[in-house]
Amino acid sequence: GENVEQHPSTLSVQEGDSAVIKCTYSDSASNYFPWYKQELGKRPQLIIDIRSNVGEKKDQRIAVTLNKTAKHFSLHITETQPEDSAVYFCAASKEGTYKYIFGTGTRLKVLA
Amino acid sequence: IAGITQAPTSQILAAGRRMTLRCTQDMRHNAMYWYRQDLGLGLRLIHYSNTAGTTGKGEVPDGYSVSRANTDDFPLTLASAVPSQTSVYFCASSRLAGDSYNEQFFGPGTRLTVL
Repeated sequence: GENVEQHPSTLSVQEGDSAVIKCTYSDSASNYFPWYKQELGKRPQLIIDIRSNVGEKKDQRIAVTLNKTAKHFSLHITETQPEDSAVYFCAASKEGTYKYIFGTGTRLKVLA
Repeated sequence: IAGITQAPTSQILAAGRRMTLRCTQDMRHNAMYWYRQDLGLGLRLIHYSNTAGTTGKGEVPDGYSVSRANTDDFPLTLASAVPSQTSVYFCASSRLAGDSYNEQFFGPGTRLTVL
């Protein structure tokens, strides 16, 4: 069945450094890839998404890249801040289903 | 209400009991979803509904049922709860428009413990 693998499961970085989270998907028909951030005890919230007709998308300190050939996509956070500490989930979806398959999450800790 | 709400916030339940988790949204979204979140396993889709009157199975549907009598409400029922259903349950909704993708908005979650 469809599967999304996410790595690493935990990531610690110093404040101001960059953080990269990687995801690999199995279904080559997937064409929409959202990223969600979940703070402790809160609900997941969308932070950025990318569609398969685009290779990269940036929003301030956050960027996502997509490699359709390799079937992987990555979240890049630059100039990390303590408020970036959270669990991040990637997901994949394909046209016509509207269902997301989520990765298992990455706990990011930004050390002051 | 504004957005998507869930009730109860948390619940402790004896095994074998029946339980319904409630989810209501006022955004007129046509699609709604139920996920469970377990440590190390991420968010897994239980059931979904693309429009009122229709439902579908997700990745982990066994032991759960849903109904979608109207646009706003999407209750999740555990007919006979078992300890493995201890989890945090999130409801979500999105507006579907043709083949475009739309953000899924999540509710605050229900923490369920089955003893």
